[in-house]
Amino acid sequence: EAGVAQSPRYKIIEKRQSVAFWCNPISGHATLYWYQQILGQGPKLLIQFQNNGVVDDSQLPKDRFSAERLKGVDSTLKIQPAKLEDSAVYLCASSLDLDRNTIYFGEGSWLTVV
Amino acid sequence: KQEVTQIPAALSVPEGENLVLNCSFTDSAIYNLQWFRQDPGKGLTSLLLIQSSQREQTSGRLNASLDKSSGRSTLYIAASQPGDSATYLCAVRPLGTDKLIFGTGTRLQVFP
Repeated sequence: EAGVAQSPRYKIIEKRQSVAFWCNPISGHATLYWYQQILGQGPKLLIQFQNNGVVDDSQLPKDRFSAERLKGVDSTLKIQPAKLEDSAVYLCASSLDLDRNTIYFGEGSWLTVV
Repeated sequence: KQEVTQIPAALSVPEGENLVLNCSFTDSAIYNLQWFRQDPGKGLTSLLLIQSSQREQTSGRLNASLDKSSGRSTLYIAASQPGDSATYLCAVRPLGTDKLIFGTGTRLQVFP
């Protein structure tokens, strides 16, 4: 079974530039999460989708971050304009709707803002 | 607001030692608690999940306990090996939500 796929794995951009990350969850998984993990900290939930609807985006900085999940499958997370403090790993995860206990993480997209 | 704390932040032990990692949380209204492993440059892998009604879970050399009333969980690793070197994260799922609240992790190094 293929895991959660993310790209790009690494990205370096200058502040005020924009960046987009892509995630392909495990086939059939209705729930998709984006987490931000700053170096030395635990992951923090940015947004959660159930199919193509947003369940929780309370910690998403909406002035600069946006995310969408078209057709309830792939998802993109965009940052525009980026700030130095956005340097982090962006982790995508997915889980079955009926089996909320098991969550699978991708390897993450590493962002450095200089 | 739920807060999760892990102690120690880092641990270095010789191979073969038994060790305990600690996790504490401030609100006992949780659905479950999970322990994850994170290797450098990798995502998270779920190790053990304990439902709020359970006291412990075991998988191989790993044993996780949960004392919901005191807001504590421990991860016990028996006969540690260099391959156990990684960061271990605990996360709680508050009641009524699907989100996980993570601790800051314990970075473990097991040397030969």
